[in-house]
Amino acid sequence: NAGVTQTPKFQVLKTGQSMTLQCAQDMNHEYMSWYRQDPGMGLRLIHYSVGAGITDQGEVPNGYNVSRSTTEDFPLRLLSAAPSQTSVYFCASSYLGGDTEAFFGQGTRLTVV
Amino acid sequence: TQLLEQSPQFLSIQEGENLTVYCNSSSVFSSLQWYRQEPGEGPVLLVTVVTGGEVKKLKRLTFQFGDARKDSSLHITAAQPGDTGLYLCARKYGNKLVFGAGTILRVKS
Repeated sequence: NAGVTQTPKFQVLKTGQSMTLQCAQDMNHEYMSWYRQDPGMGLRLIHYSVGAGITDQGEVPNGYNVSRSTTEDFPLRLLSAAPSQTSVYFCASSYLGGDTEAFFGQGTRLTVV
Repeated sequence: TQLLEQSPQFLSIQEGENLTVYCNSSSVFSSLQWYRQEPGEGPVLLVTVVTGGEVKKLKRLTFQFGDARKDSSLHITAAQPGDTGLYLCARKYGNKLVFGAGTILRVKS
């Protein structure tokens, strides 16, 4: 059982470049989300989705786009990378409702130079 | 704005010592989750507390949910180097799972 799989694990971008961070889960979870983690700031929610075709913004959505065409996949797109987007990115998934456990990928460490 | 306040931000202790970390909010929680994150990994759920005054134990870890359901604590007895990590509390706002800034725990042998 793979759980939540994120790719790539590491990435270096130049300012202005675009890229897509991939996230896939095999647990048939309705809810998927993206967080960024910066020192001293915990996990901040970027975007989330409650099902295929439905996405919404979190706390820090600017500079990021998402789409959810299938239950399994929830890619995060950086349209024009900026040094302020240097961070570790985590994808998570869970069942909807109640106090369900969130399962996380291993993270993508992104550096924008 | 941090909806969940965690303290302390950083804790460095010797093996065998006890410690408590806290998670507070100005509003009432319906429930609260505690996660632990080890370096290079994603967070992993430790426990969910749902009832005011509830106490849950996980080996040497004791989790408490305040009577007013505005705060929670995690107490570790006789800390071990394997307890080193980032401890995060989290709560649901609608469908969104929101985290505190976390407490970094370092246990030295």
